[in-house]
Amino acid sequence: EAQVTQNPRYLITVTGKKLTVTCSQNMNHEYMSWYRQDPGLGLRQIYYSMNVEVTDKGDVPEGYKVSRKEKRNFPLILESPSPNQTSLYFCASGAGNTIYFGEGSWLTVV
Amino acid sequence: AQKITQTQPGMFVQEKEAVTLDCTYDTSDPSYGLFWYKQPSSGEMIFLIYQGSYDQQNATEGRYSLNFQKARKSANLVISASQLGDSAMYFCAMREGFGNEKLTFGTGTRLTIIP
Repeated sequence: EAQVTQNPRYLITVTGKKLTVTCSQNMNHEYMSWYRQDPGLGLRQIYYSMNVEVTDKGDVPEGYKVSRKEKRNFPLILESPSPNQTSLYFCASGAGNTIYFGEGSWLTVV
Repeated sequence: AQKITQTQPGMFVQEKEAVTLDCTYDTSDPSYGLFWYKQPSSGEMIFLIYQGSYDQQNATEGRYSLNFQKARKSANLVISASQLGDSAMYFCAMREGFGNEKLTFGTGTRLTIIP
């Protein structure tokens, strides 16, 4: 079964405390990306990766980092989270006619 | 200009009826793909159906079909025989060209199925 797995699903953290949201896919996809979903703004792309060690900025990359050391994993790193990064985050995997999303990670920064 | 427009913020439909969710798009790229996703209240984003710009036939997946009218730049989702479990937000999204594979999303339609 095709799966994109994100962890944690829910997190409340404090301003400035580094956190990582993990994403793993089992479909051997080369392309992966991160989105955030905010009310009134829809889903916006944060970063994407076209293959191992190949990453690039999306539309809203400020305050985020990513890495792609292996094909199946694409973690999203918030080095110093701020309240404006409170959002619902999605990892996506796939390309062409099939792009799957993870279940989402609800992140609250207080 | 909005790349993806969903003009129905909310819809109420009787159970077992068919429902059409509207989506229009704007692109000058001849190669693009159109996606529909379902987002239930639990938050996950579930892939429903895909239509490529060069596809000759309208896509179908079980109770979901896509009414693709290329000249009108519309890609409406049709759900046949609606069920209570269909109540959710529905998003239309577009991928343009090749490379980034970035999806541009519409603002969504909240569908409520009435028993």
